[in-house]
Amino acid sequence: DGGITQSPKYLFRKEGQNVTLSCEQNLNHDAMYWYRQDPGQGLRLIYYSQIVNDFQKGDIAEGYSVSREKKESFPLTVTSAQKNPTAFYLCASSASIGTQYFGPGTRLLVL
Amino acid sequence: AQSVTQPDIHITVSEGASLELRCNYSYGATPYLFWYVQSPGQGLQLLLKYFSGDTLVQGIKGFEAEFKRSQSSFNLRKPSVHWSDAAEYFCALTGANNLFFGTGTRLTVIP
Repeated sequence: DGGITQSPKYLFRKEGQNVTLSCEQNLNHDAMYWYRQDPGQGLRLIYYSQIVNDFQKGDIAEGYSVSREKKESFPLTVTSAQKNPTAFYLCASSASIGTQYFGPGTRLLVL
Repeated sequence: AQSVTQPDIHITVSEGASLELRCNYSYGATPYLFWYVQSPGQGLQLLLKYFSGDTLVQGIKGFEAEFKRSQSSFNLRKPSVHWSDAAEYFCALTGANNLFFGTGTRLTVIP
C-alpha cells in the first residue's frame, strides 16, 4: 500500500532541545518537501529536495535542518534556534514538479 | 511573483446546498492549479488538478473546478454539499520548485 508516513503523530520539545520528525515514502518519488502550517497562514515551505543528497531552503528554513541520504526518507530536525516551533508539520512528495502527495502530519508542541 | 488568494476565510452552507469556494492566482504563465482538502489534524488530500486542456476539471467526492484565465481564477464547486464535506480547503499553484498555497477556506456544513 503506497503512501507517505510521518512519525510521531505528536512530539513534545523542551527548551533548547533538538527534535527530529520522520518522513518516509514508498511511492518512488524523487522530490520531497517539508511544510509548516500555522492557523490562518496556510502552508509555508521549509525545505525541499529534488534528488538524493541534495536539498534547498524554502521560505522559512531558519532554525531547521534536513538530510536526504535515501530516496525514501527526508527527516526534518527542529533545532533549538527555532524560537517558535509549535506548529503542524507536513511532509509531501512528488514524482516531478506538479502534484504533491501529503503525509498525515506531526504536531509539535513545546513544553 | 506568484501568489494564491482565497478571499473567504470561513463559509457556512446548509447540507444539500450548492457550494463555490473562490481562488484567485497571480502567475506569469499558465499555472498548474490544485485544490486540496484537509480534515482537522490530518494531512492534505488532493481533490483535483488543472494542468492544461479542458478548463472544467472533475475531481473526487463530486467536486469540480473551472479555470478562467481572463479572471485568474480557479473556483471550486459542488452542486450538493454533504455533512462530511466540512473541512478546510486549500487552493495551490505550482511555482518553479514547489507549491504556493492560499491561506485556506474553512467550510462548515449545517444539518
